[in-house]
Amino acid sequence: NAGVTQTPKFRVLKTGQSMTLLCAQDMNHEYMYWYRQDPGMGLRLIHYSVGEGTTAKGEVPDGYNVSRLKKQNFLLGLESAAPSQTSVYFCASSYSPPGAGETQYFGPGTRLLVL
Amino acid sequence: GQNIDQPTEMTATEGAIVQINCTYQTSGFNGLFWYQQHAGEAPTFLSYNVLDGLEEKGRFSSFLSRSKGYSYLLLKELQMKDSASYLCAAVAYGQNFVFGPGTRLSVLP
Repeated sequence: NAGVTQTPKFRVLKTGQSMTLLCAQDMNHEYMYWYRQDPGMGLRLIHYSVGEGTTAKGEVPDGYNVSRLKKQNFLLGLESAAPSQTSVYFCASSYSPPGAGETQYFGPGTRLLVL
Repeated sequence: GQNIDQPTEMTATEGAIVQINCTYQTSGFNGLFWYQQHAGEAPTFLSYNVLDGLEEKGRFSSFLSRSKGYSYLLLKELQMKDSASYLCAAVAYGQNFVFGPGTRLSVLP
């Protein structure tokens, strides 16, 4: 099993450009999450999904959109990138909801630099 | 609201014991996770506490006091490979994980 994979690993964008980050998991998990990690601020939830075809906003959703057309994939889109979106983005998945006491499994991360 | 705090950085010597603290204020608290994250890598699960007390897993132990809103991760017999960031995350009923800022641990020879 590959677990959780993310593409690309690293990307440089100019302000105003768009891009899509892809997350895939092969564990048949219902729940998927997108986080961003910035120095000194820990992991912050951007959007999440509780199943195929569903999405919901997290703590910092502005400037991002997501889609979950297939159970195994969770896409994060930036329509018009801004320097404030420079960050490391982590995707995670879990079989049960967060309050059930099960860990989330994280992908290797995507490093995004917006100039 | 939710608030979680950890020390930013800690330094310890190889072979020693180190305790990393985490304090939280979480409505509807239902458990606390600890993750290890090496530089440039993904967080990986270390432990989960939902009841008060100490959970031991080899060199790593985690403690929880629900009444005090306090947890700690105890690392024994430190090794160089334990140099990493350690993240605590609180979870509440019906809510998503809330992560602390992480503690960067440096293990010196």
